[in-house]
Amino acid sequence: AQKVTQAQTEISVVEKEDVTLDCVYETRDTTYYLFWYKQPPSGELVFLIRRNSFDEQNEISGRYSWNFQKSTSSFNFTITASQVVDSAVYFCALSVLNSGYALNFGKGTSLLVTP
Amino acid sequence: ETGVTQSPTHLIKTRGQQVTLRCSSQSGHNTVSWYQQALGQGPQFIFQYYREEENGRGNFPPRFSGLQFPNYSSELNVNALELDDSALYLCASSPSGSGRETQYFGPGTRLLVL
Repeated sequence: AQKVTQAQTEISVVEKEDVTLDCVYETRDTTYYLFWYKQPPSGELVFLIRRNSFDEQNEISGRYSWNFQKSTSSFNFTITASQVVDSAVYFCALSVLNSGYALNFGKGTSLLVTP
Repeated sequence: ETGVTQSPTHLIKTRGQQVTLRCSSQSGHNTVSWYQQALGQGPQFIFQYYREEENGRGNFPPRFSGLQFPNYSSELNVNALELDDSALYLCASSPSGSGRETQYFGPGTRLLVL
């Protein structure tokens, strides 16, 4: 079975602070895909990044960066110099062939960035 | 390029009624997936349609059913509504049924069952 754990339920930071959102996943499949989505109050899930299990290269996109470590089954997300607009719920998700590539989501981390 | 759209945005029903939610996939996408998101939870996979056929199903009872049309738009039908069906229903489309593809989500339909 597949499982995604986001242990941090809520995080509150002051603007310009760096913040890391943790994601730990479980799967026995050797081929899998990991995702991060952002859900602002409007409700729509906004795609941020996709990683496959054979690509452990970390990625940076502007103020966002992702650290994928297969050894610890983690796919953490860091926001540098946070801004108020970053306030949202962030979801980590996993998809594998055995589940028909359906997205298995964690429970999400609610991030509040205050001025 | 038009994104994923869903209708209606909000809906209020009473227990025992039936409801139909609609989704138009993003241009060029032939796969639609439906998810249910209860308050404070992550989305849960309901089912997926690929080229008008159900391509996978999550742990939801048969009263949750769906359709996909030749233009790849889709419907989610829920019969005999229960109070616990109150949730945000999200539709996502992708270029194919492969896990290599990213699923892009619509704005969702908020269903309240009284």
